[in-house]
Amino acid sequence: EPEVTQTPSHQVTQMGQEVILRCVPISNHLYFYWYRQILGQKVEFLVSFYNNEISEKSEIFDDQFSVERPDGSNFTLKIRSTKLEDSAMYFCASSELQGDYGYTFGSGTRLTVV
Amino acid sequence: GQNIDQPTEMTATEGAIVQINCTYQTSGFNGLFWYQQHAGEAPTFLSYNVLDGLEEKGRFSSFLSRSKGYSYLLLKELQMKDSASYLCAVRSWGKFQFGAGTQVVVTP
Repeated sequence: EPEVTQTPSHQVTQMGQEVILRCVPISNHLYFYWYRQILGQKVEFLVSFYNNEISEKSEIFDDQFSVERPDGSNFTLKIRSTKLEDSAMYFCASSELQGDYGYTFGSGTRLTVV
Repeated sequence: GQNIDQPTEMTATEGAIVQINCTYQTSGFNGLFWYQQHAGEAPTFLSYNVLDGLEEKGRFSSFLSRSKGYSYLLLKELQMKDSASYLCAVRSWGKFQFGAGTQVVVTP
């Protein structure tokens, strides 16, 4: 079964550093998403991306965050200057159509900011 | 905005049935999804409803009433491996808004 792949599985970074979280969506999928889940809290939508541009973003997705599809296969989330409260699991997801049945989540990257 | 409410925790015995209720208020609605999430792992899709009524998938069934803003997930013949968090999620166009999850504890 096709998978969404995320790397690394766990990243530890110092406060103020930049991090890039990487995702490889399913190859024929056109819509891409990032979600985050702070430990013990609910899964929260960050951003959706289609046709090389952001289609929707939440209020969490401020100027510290950016997304990019640099090479046609990877989909990245960059946090410019990490804060302690950015510590969370970050899940990438992709779908063939906008929010259709085939909405697959990656296994997540656990980001720890120290 | 959206409000999605589900119970925090439920406990049931192996082999029993458990029903997890979810109520929602939303400004846009394209479907009600249920996901299972084990600790430290990604959500995995269980079931979804777009129209009112019951959808059955093996041991899992989900029901939706759009007029009441209400859904439930029914888990039958509970197994120990069903111990997990169950997330109710409303789809609004492309994105999902998740509830806080219901932790189901299955006891022997």
